[in-house]
Amino acid sequence: AQKVTQAQTEISVVEKEDVTLDCVYETRDTTYYLFWYKQPPSGELVFLIRRNSFDEQNEISGRYSWNFQKSTSSFNFTITASQVVDSAVYFCALSEETNAGKSTFGDGTTLTVKP
Amino acid sequence: GAVVSQHPSWVICKSGTSVKIECRSLDFQATTMFWYRQFPKQSLMLMATSNEGSKATYEQGVEKDKFLINHASLTLSTLTVTSAHPEDSSFYICSARDRHQIYEQYFGPGTRLTVT
Repeated sequence: AQKVTQAQTEISVVEKEDVTLDCVYETRDTTYYLFWYKQPPSGELVFLIRRNSFDEQNEISGRYSWNFQKSTSSFNFTITASQVVDSAVYFCALSEETNAGKSTFGDGTTLTVKP
Repeated sequence: GAVVSQHPSWVICKSGTSVKIECRSLDFQATTMFWYRQFPKQSLMLMATSNEGSKATYEQGVEKDKFLINHASLTLSTLTVTSAHPEDSSFYICSARDRHQIYEQYFGPGTRLTVT
């Protein structure tokens, strides 16, 4: 069974601070995908990144970066120099090959960036 | 990019009535669509998976007779909440994927249902 844990329920930072959102997953599959989504107050999910289990290379996109470590089953997300517009709920999700690609979401982390 | 729409974006209905929510893939053929429910301050919970032309597969604990799903075409899936009650008030989100991208889901903007 697949499982995603986002231990941080809420995080509050001041603008320009760096912040890391943690994601730990469980799976027995060797082929799987990990995702991060942003959900602003409007509710619409915004896709941020997808990473497959065979690609452990870290990724950077502007102020966003992701650290994927299979050894610790973690896929952490860092926002550098946070901005007020980054305030949202962030979800980590996992899709397993043997589960027909269904996504299991973590409970989400609510990030508040104060000016 | 792939776009998924939902209609309506919000709906208020009276207890006991039925509500239909549409999910459309606008620029690709969605062989599979997923329906999620999200209660306030909670995560997305998968309700069911629908494949075009076949019956939906419901997750454990989801009443299939209450949440009717139809996926009659490659671009449209509908979720009907029958005999809605206040506890069905929630944010319903659909996602769609095509036959070639098993791990790529495109999410709709969601439908906020309030049952009074």
